[in-house]
Amino acid sequence: QQKVQQSPESLIVPEGGMASLNCTSSDRNVDYFWWYRQHSGKSPKMLMSIFSNGEKEEGRFTVHLNKASLHTSLHIRDSQPSDSALYLCAASIGGSALGRLHFGAGTQLIVIP
Amino acid sequence: GGIITQTPKFLIGQEGQKLTLKCQQNFNHDTMYWYRQDSGKGLRLIYYSITENDLQKGDLSEGYDASREKKSSFSLTVTSAQKNEMAVFLCASTRGREQYFGPGTRLTVL
Repeated sequence: QQKVQQSPESLIVPEGGMASLNCTSSDRNVDYFWWYRQHSGKSPKMLMSIFSNGEKEEGRFTVHLNKASLHTSLHIRDSQPSDSALYLCAASIGGSALGRLHFGAGTQLIVIP
Repeated sequence: GGIITQTPKFLIGQEGQKLTLKCQQNFNHDTMYWYRQDSGKGLRLIYYSITENDLQKGDLSEGYDASREKKSSFSLTVTSAQKNEMAVFLCASTRGREQYFGPGTRLTVL
């Protein structure tokens, strides 16, 4: 059973628009959520992590976490064509080997100029 | 800073062949991972190792072997390549929680 689910599978937004990506875990022992970005042909790079309820902002990127519902979301404002990439959500789960992450299937974001 | 290198970058094999992929890191990280990524999809964990000579199976270990003889290196063997298989194999390392990824090995089986 997949522990991390992402939606939507793909998302098209116009340049300058807002992109909203969702991620939920089915395991109540999640302690951290991570967002990675992977450009085509490249390896994933960590964008942001969050472990406490609320939101965290870094530049155009904002991450929200609701621990009660095990739901996190990533919002990209003023989207740019260079933001086009596969966005992967991952969760670290208490009791697992430290550092082990469970990845979702990803959301493919396309930003149209 | 540090770096993770993976060799080879591209690997073409024949059905039934045994194929070995190599990963080296100079972060001095304890834990290393092998993931498989099919085109445009998420990452599935094959094997991980929390220290030299340790091996732990992930969710996709069947059909693979792994070896961690030194802290800095982690090898993955495809025991019998499947015809028409195409995937990228990503190596990662971590101390603590954040994972750093290598550039990947792209496998094609003819």
